[in-house]
Amino acid sequence: SQTIHQWPATLVQPVGSPLSLECTVEGTSNPNLYWYRQAAGRGLQLLFYSVGIGQISSEVPQNLSASRPQDRQFILSSKKLLLSDSGFYLCACDGTGASRAFFGQGTRLTVV
Amino acid sequence: GESVGLHLPTLSVQEGDNSIINCAYSNSASDYFIWYKQESGKGPQFIIDIRSNMDKRQGQRVTVLLNKTVKHLSLQIAATQPGDSAVYFCAGTSFGNQFYFGTGTSLTVIP
Repeated sequence: SQTIHQWPATLVQPVGSPLSLECTVEGTSNPNLYWYRQAAGRGLQLLFYSVGIGQISSEVPQNLSASRPQDRQFILSSKKLLLSDSGFYLCACDGTGASRAFFGQGTRLTVV
Repeated sequence: GESVGLHLPTLSVQEGDNSIINCAYSNSASDYFIWYKQESGKGPQFIIDIRSNMDKRQGQRVTVLLNKTVKHLSLQIAATQPGDSAVYFCAGTSFGNQFYFGTGTSLTVIP
C-alpha cells in the first residue's frame, strides 16, 4: 500500500517569508496527488491536485502554488506568507480506479 | 459539482453506547465512499469504504450504510470507546475522480 511522507510536522514562519512543504509517496506509481488545508475545527479544503508530472489544478485562488517535479513528489509553496495561510496542511494520494485516498501526517503551519 | 456534507458538527456519546454519524452527498453519480477518522494533530485514517452497488458493509465494530435513494450514508460504531473520540469525515468520488470531503463530525466519548 501507499505511504506518504510529509515534512516538516510543524512550522512557524513570519509573515512575508517564503514557504516550501514537501510530500513524497512510496508504494505506487503515477498517483493522483492532493494538497488540502484544514483550519482549526473545520473540514478539509482541497487546494491543488495533480494527475501527473507538471500537471497542477488549482481549486481555489490563493497565495499558494504547487509543483510536481517528479512522479511521486508534490510541493506546496508560497513566495510571501500571509497570516491567513496558517493551518494544517495535508498531502494525499490515490491510485487509479477510485482506490482510497491515503493521507500524510500533516504539517501544522503557523504564520506569525 | 459534487459536495459531501455532515448533518451534525459534534456528537457526544456515553462509553459503551452505539454512535451513528451521518453524511449526505449531492452527486447521484457518486459510486464510491469512504469514512475517515482523524485524531487531533494527525492525518485522516481510513476506516471503511463502500461501493454504490452495496447498501451495507461491516467492519470491526463499524458498519457503513448507504442509501442511494436519498443520497445518504452513515457510520455506525458499536460499543463506543474513549479511543473512538476523533473527527470523522465522509468522502465520495465518482468514476475515479477526485474525492470530496465533508466538513467532519467531532465525536466525543464520555467515560
